[in-house]
Amino acid sequence: AQKITQTQPGMFVQEKEAVTLDCTYDTSDPSYGLFWYKQPSSGEMIFLIYQGSYDQQNATEGRYSLNFQKARKSANLVISASQLGDSAMYFCAIAHGFGNEKLTFGTGTRLTIIP
Amino acid sequence: SAVISQKPSRDICQRGTSLTIQCQVDSQVTMMFWYRQQPGQSLTLIATANQGSEATYESGFVIDKFPISRPNLTFSTLTVSNMSPEDSSIYLCSDQTGSYGYTFGSGTRLTVV
Repeated sequence: AQKITQTQPGMFVQEKEAVTLDCTYDTSDPSYGLFWYKQPSSGEMIFLIYQGSYDQQNATEGRYSLNFQKARKSANLVISASQLGDSAMYFCAIAHGFGNEKLTFGTGTRLTIIP
Repeated sequence: SAVISQKPSRDICQRGTSLTIQCQVDSQVTMMFWYRQQPGQSLTLIATANQGSEATYESGFVIDKFPISRPNLTFSTLTVSNMSPEDSSIYLCSDQTGSYGYTFGSGTRLTVV
């Protein structure tokens, strides 16, 4: 069974600073995908970034990048130049295989951006 | 990626009653997933729904409490039956279109009084 661990229940970051949200995972399957989602107070789940276990390079999507360290089984999310609108819950998730697999979520990190 | 319309967005229900949540996808998807998010918690998978077959439930969730329908490849419903205050949660549906795309509905915020 796979497991996701997010050790930071809450973080406070000054606006315009970069922030790193930690995520470690545990799986014995060599084929998996890692996902980060943002959940604002409205409750919707917003997809941010994806990293496949066989991807050679770290994923990037605009201000979001993923620091993927496969040997350490970590997939930390880096948000550059944080904005007030980044205040939300952030969830790391893992799915096995290349299709038709459920997501397993971590406990989440509540990020608050301070003006 | 697909777009999922989920409704209702929120509801306040009396204990002992049932609520059916609907998710409509704008394209055909093989599998749909239903999650529960209790207050202050993470998302927990309730069940996986395939078209034309019974849903597969996760440990701790049973069909009598959370019946699911999947009549075609673009639609699914989740019913929360015989509700109690402990069922107060956000319920989310999701589709899975390949390894990259997991799209979520906007969620249903349920309060049971």
